[in-house]
Amino acid sequence: DAGVIQSPRHEVTEMGQEVTLRCKPISGHNSLFWYRQTMMRGLELLIYFNNNVPIDDSGMPEDRFSAKMPNASFSTLKIQPSEPRDSAVYFCASSPRLGTGDVYTFGSGTRLTVV
Amino acid sequence: AQSVTQLGSHVSVSEGALVLLRCNYSSSVPPYLFWYVQYPNQGLQLLLKYTTGATLVKGINGFEAEFKKSETSFHLTKPSAHMSDAAEYFCAVSVGSGGYQKVTFGTGTKLQVIP
Repeated sequence: DAGVIQSPRHEVTEMGQEVTLRCKPISGHNSLFWYRQTMMRGLELLIYFNNNVPIDDSGMPEDRFSAKMPNASFSTLKIQPSEPRDSAVYFCASSPRLGTGDVYTFGSGTRLTVV
Repeated sequence: AQSVTQLGSHVSVSEGALVLLRCNYSSSVPPYLFWYVQYPNQGLQLLLKYTTGATLVKGINGFEAEFKKSETSFHLTKPSAHMSDAAEYFCAVSVGSGGYQKVTFGTGTKLQVIP
């Protein structure tokens, strides 16, 4: 298995532009997570899905952020409009299910810079 | 609610010296505990996990951790540090709730290995 695949690896955009981050989870994994990592806040859970259904989006910072999972093999995280404070590394992770003790597999992340 | 505290955001050791990274957790129910490692420009990957049973858990690359309920600790150790161990290490606690697990990550400890 190729693991969790995220694209793009790097994204530089201007303030106010729409940004879309993409994630392909491991085949057969039913749960998907979006995290944001910054020096100031560390690793923050933004939203997670189970069987393509959003379970908890309480970590999404603002209405500018939205996430979708139209099928079991694809998810997007969209920021519209983007702001410089959104600059961070965004990680997608998947796990077999949401059972306690399940291991998360992380993608390599998307480094977002908003100028 | 559960929480994780990692003592020391940066730890430096000499090559060949003992590695000790500290993690304390708080949970109202028996937790599952994890250590993940993040190498530069990569996502997090599992080092080891504790679920039930033996309290001394062995992971990859010679790392191990001991679950001590009385001390609410899950410290990570390695007898002899190698240059390739330089990375950021995250402790995480997982607690089940309503059939779903909720994983909380610590703020991370950056390990520097000095030649």
